[in-house]
Amino acid sequence: EDQVTQSPEALRLQEGESSSLNCSYTVSGLRGLFWYRQDPGKGPEFLFTLYSAGEEKEKERLKATLTKKESFLHITAPKPEDSATYLCAVQDEISGTYKYIFGTGTRLKVLA
Amino acid sequence: EAGVTQSPTHLIKTRGQQATLRCSPISGHTSVYWYQQALGLGLQFLLWYDEGEERNRGNFPPRFSGRQFPNYSSELNVNALELEDSALYLCASRALGNNEQFFGPGTRLTVL
Repeated sequence: EDQVTQSPEALRLQEGESSSLNCSYTVSGLRGLFWYRQDPGKGPEFLFTLYSAGEEKEKERLKATLTKKESFLHITAPKPEDSATYLCAVQDEISGTYKYIFGTGTRLKVLA
Repeated sequence: EAGVTQSPTHLIKTRGQQATLRCSPISGHTSVYWYQQALGLGLQFLLWYDEGEERNRGNFPPRFSGRQFPNYSSELNVNALELEDSALYLCASRALGNNEQFFGPGTRLTVL
């Protein structure tokens, strides 16, 4: 069965303290892996799409990487405004079906 | 470019009533997805509409239904509301041939 697991569930960092969030997945065939940021009570905001192992994407203090079994979201020198829940989703390569499976997210809190 | 819009922002109903939630996709997007996000839980896939047709549904009872209109906007209907239906309902749209979903701000449904 397709599965997406994110760790840790929650993470507290001091401002400037770099860290990584993990997303491990089990799918029959990966069509794409997606990272989103979600602020409380709001809709997820699209960050990155990764398609194949070895691929990397960067945006400001965020860098996403992908292997055959997991993805990492690296946060370099985070600021308090980076506090949010970060969601990972995968799109399984089921013929004719654009189906997405979401993890439960990592709640990040960056302290000033 | 306008993003995905949802209405209403908040909706309060009593048990047994019906709720109707609306979503307008990004201009040019033909697919609409509905998700339920209960407090503290991940995004649960509800329904996927594409070109006016229901393409897939998640593990939800038949009282969750919807439709997609010729202008690609969509409506989610929840009949015989139960207390556990209280959640943030998110709509996302996707362009034909693309993999990324873009989310709206959500509708907070509270069932009393």
